[in-house]
Amino acid sequence: AQSVTQPDIHITVSEGASLELRCNYSYGATPYLFWYVQSPGQGLQLLLKYFSGDTLVQGIKGFEAEFKRSQSSFNLRKPSVHWSDAAEYFCAVGAPNYGGSQGNLIFGKGTKLSVKP
Amino acid sequence: NAGVTQTPKFQVLKTGQSMTLQCAQDMNHNSMYWYRQDPGMGLRLIYYSASEGTTDKGEVPNGYNVSRLNKREFSLRLESAAPSQTSVYFCASSEARDLQFFGPGTRLTVL
Repeated sequence: AQSVTQPDIHITVSEGASLELRCNYSYGATPYLFWYVQSPGQGLQLLLKYFSGDTLVQGIKGFEAEFKRSQSSFNLRKPSVHWSDAAEYFCAVGAPNYGGSQGNLIFGKGTKLSVKP
Repeated sequence: NAGVTQTPKFQVLKTGQSMTLQCAQDMNHNSMYWYRQDPGMGLRLIYYSASEGTTDKGEVPNGYNVSRLNKREFSLRLESAAPSQTSVYFCASSEARDLQFFGPGTRLTVL
């Protein structure tokens, strides 16, 4: 069965420092991978997605993620974190019936990011 | 263009009461979803509707029913609420496998 693991429940970084949030997936074929961000009390916003092609994906707000098939990973990175990046981040993979008319996603449990001034 | 809207934003129920969560999207998307979010659990799919007139169970459907009223609206009903259904509920929509748009959520407490 497909699954998504985000090993870090909570990460704290200093403003201006670089950031890497880890995501590992379990999937038998080429996965569809996503990163979402959720600010407190808000819904989820899509940061970026990987379907195929270039393994380095650029997203909004200066985020990028790299798909590494050999490591089953899709880690999210940002070179310099801003205080406004404090939020919870979710990695997701397309469910087995994803594609065509099905857009079901399987989410990781999330990583909460705190930013120190 | 409001995207995905959900009502109500907050609700408190007593055990055994029923209620319906409403969701509407104005993006002409075929697919709509209901997720629940619990601390430390991420989001889990309750039900989805791939197109108007069809609904299917997701990962955690027990205790819920859904209705795809038309292409725009997808409601989630709790017939007899239980404390285990205390959660934040998110509706989402998508066009085929394209990115999913999420509503702002409904925070439900069952006492």
